[in-house]
Amino acid sequence: NAGVTQTPKFQVLKTGQSMTLQCAQDMNHNSMYWYRQDPGMGLRLIYYSASEGTTDKGEVPNGYNVSRLNKREFSLRLESAAPSQTSVYFCASSELYTGQGETQYFGPGTRLLVL
Amino acid sequence: QKEVEQDPGPLSVPEGAIVSLNCTYSNSAFQYFMWYRQYSRKGPELLMYTYSSGNKEDGRFTAQVDKSSKYISLFIRDSQPSDSATYLCAIGGYSTLTFGKGTMLLVSP
Repeated sequence: NAGVTQTPKFQVLKTGQSMTLQCAQDMNHNSMYWYRQDPGMGLRLIYYSASEGTTDKGEVPNGYNVSRLNKREFSLRLESAAPSQTSVYFCASSELYTGQGETQYFGPGTRLLVL
Repeated sequence: QKEVEQDPGPLSVPEGAIVSLNCTYSNSAFQYFMWYRQYSRKGPELLMYTYSSGNKEDGRFTAQVDKSSKYISLFIRDSQPSDSATYLCAIGGYSTLTFGKGTMLLVSP
């Protein structure tokens, strides 16, 4: 099992460009998450999908959109990238979303630099 | 006050030392406690999970939870250079997980 995979590993964008970060999991998990990790800020939740067909905002959703394409895949889209979105992005999955804090499994991350 | 507080370190210890990593939290609704290990330029990986007060052991690692004090700890015995990483606590109870900012641990040979 590959677990959680993310593409690309690294990306450089110019301000205003758009891009989509891809995430897939092969653990048959129902719930998936997108985080960003910045120095001194820790992991912050952008969006999550409790189950196929549903998405909800996390702590820092502004400037992002998500799509739960199917049970395996959850993508994150930056419509008009800004330098403030320079970060490392992690996708995670969990068996269920309980609303009480569930064990999550993380991908290797995508490093995004916006110039 | 942040919901979860964690000293960022770095914490530098010699090989073989006992390491203590800690988090405090403010919300008594939190009841699920996890520790993740994150190597440089990698994703976090789950290390320990517990939901009750007391100790839980797994090899060289012991997770300790004191709900009355809202304080959790991770102890690493006989620390190794391969333990050098950032350790994040993660706490849940009424919403999605809340992560600490992580403590960087450096174990020197």
